[in-house]
Amino acid sequence: EPEVTQTPSHQVTQMGQEVILRCVPISNHLYFYWYRQILGQKVEFLVSFYNNEISEKSEIFDDQFSVERPDGSNFTLKIRSTKLEDSAMYFCASTRSPTGGGNTIYFGEGSWLTVV
Amino acid sequence: TQLLEQSPQFLSIQEGENLTVYCNSSSVFSSLQWYRQEPGEGPVLLVTVVTGGEVKKLKRLTFQFGDARKDSSLHITAAQPGDTGLYLCAVMVWGYQKVTFGTGTKLQVIP
Repeated sequence: EPEVTQTPSHQVTQMGQEVILRCVPISNHLYFYWYRQILGQKVEFLVSFYNNEISEKSEIFDDQFSVERPDGSNFTLKIRSTKLEDSAMYFCASTRSPTGGGNTIYFGEGSWLTVV
Repeated sequence: TQLLEQSPQFLSIQEGENLTVYCNSSSVFSSLQWYRQEPGEGPVLLVTVVTGGEVKKLKRLTFQFGDARKDSSLHITAAQPGDTGLYLCAVMVWGYQKVTFGTGTKLQVIP
């Protein structure tokens, strides 16, 4: 079964450092997402990406965050200057189409970011 | 205000018991999804319900979409330790390219 893969699985970084989380979405999918989940809290939407541009972003996705699809397979999330409160599990996801009606969105296993 | 409220938040039951988890909203949705998330992993889709009143079964799990398409329930029969996890309802809202998750129900099934 096709899957979304993420690297690294776990990263520890010092406050203020830049972090890049990488994702390889499912190959024929067109819509890509990043979500995060702070320990013990709900899964929160960060950003959606389609046709090489951001289609929607949440309040969490401020100027410290950016996304990129540098080639035909990777989708990255960059945090420019990490803060302690950025510590969370970050999930990448992809789907063929975002419309309602029951499209399946596939999530990766997550990248656990710890900011110290 | 949460778009999707789930209840209960936590549930700890003995193996073999039945349970029901609820997902409620004041909004109407074209479809609703249920996911299960295990610790350290991403959410995994269990089912999508589309039609008001629809009932779907996945082995011992029964999912129902409310007639008004504002709420949903998940019923597990004869729970097993392998059912332990975080159960999330979610919706993809028309015009918004994102999945919005509910508050979650953390289920623990004790052997």
